[in-house]
Amino acid sequence: NAGVTQTPKFRILKIGQSMTLQCTQDMNHNYMYWYRQDPGMGLKLIYYSVGAGITDKGEVPNGYNVSRSTTEDFPLRLELAAPSQTSVYFCASRTGGIDVTYEQYFGPGTRLTVT
Amino acid sequence: QKEVEQNSGPLSVPEGAIASLNCTYSDRGSQSFFWYRQYSGKSPELIMSIYSNGDKEDGRFTAQLNKASQYVSLLIRDSQPSDSATYLCAVTISGGYQKVTFGTGTKLQVIP
Repeated sequence: NAGVTQTPKFRILKIGQSMTLQCTQDMNHNYMYWYRQDPGMGLKLIYYSVGAGITDKGEVPNGYNVSRSTTEDFPLRLELAAPSQTSVYFCASRTGGIDVTYEQYFGPGTRLTVT
Repeated sequence: QKEVEQNSGPLSVPEGAIASLNCTYSDRGSQSFFWYRQYSGKSPELIMSIYSNGDKEDGRFTAQLNKASQYVSLLIRDSQPSDSATYLCAVTISGGYQKVTFGTGTKLQVIP
């Protein structure tokens, strides 16, 4: 299993541009998450999904959108990029069901700079 | 009010010593607790989870949970330079177990 994969690894955007961060997991996990991590800070939840077709906002959703059309993929869309969105973005997933442990597994991250 | 609090460090310990990392949380209904290790420039990696009061040991790592005091700790025995990283404490949110809240992490430095 590849686990959780993210593309791209690095990206530089100009203010006002848009982009999609890709996240794919091959563990058949129901739950998927997007976090951002600013320098010296903890992880802030942007959006999460409990299954295909179901998404919900986290702590810091403004400026972002998500969709979940399949179990495997959970892309994060940035519209009208702003310098405040400069951060490292992590995608994570976990299983759901009877024996839930709530343990999340993270992808390698995307380092985004908006200038 | 911060939901999960950790001392940012750095916590410096000599090689071979015990490193003790602490975390307090504010939500009394939290049920699941995790420790993640994050090397600089890398993603968080789950190293321990604990769900009931007491100690849980896994190799050189021991997680301790005291729900009455709302306190979680991680002990690393025989610390190695390769243990130098930031350790993130994470706690599930009561009434919303789909989500966890992360602390800002404690930076550990193991001095050879």
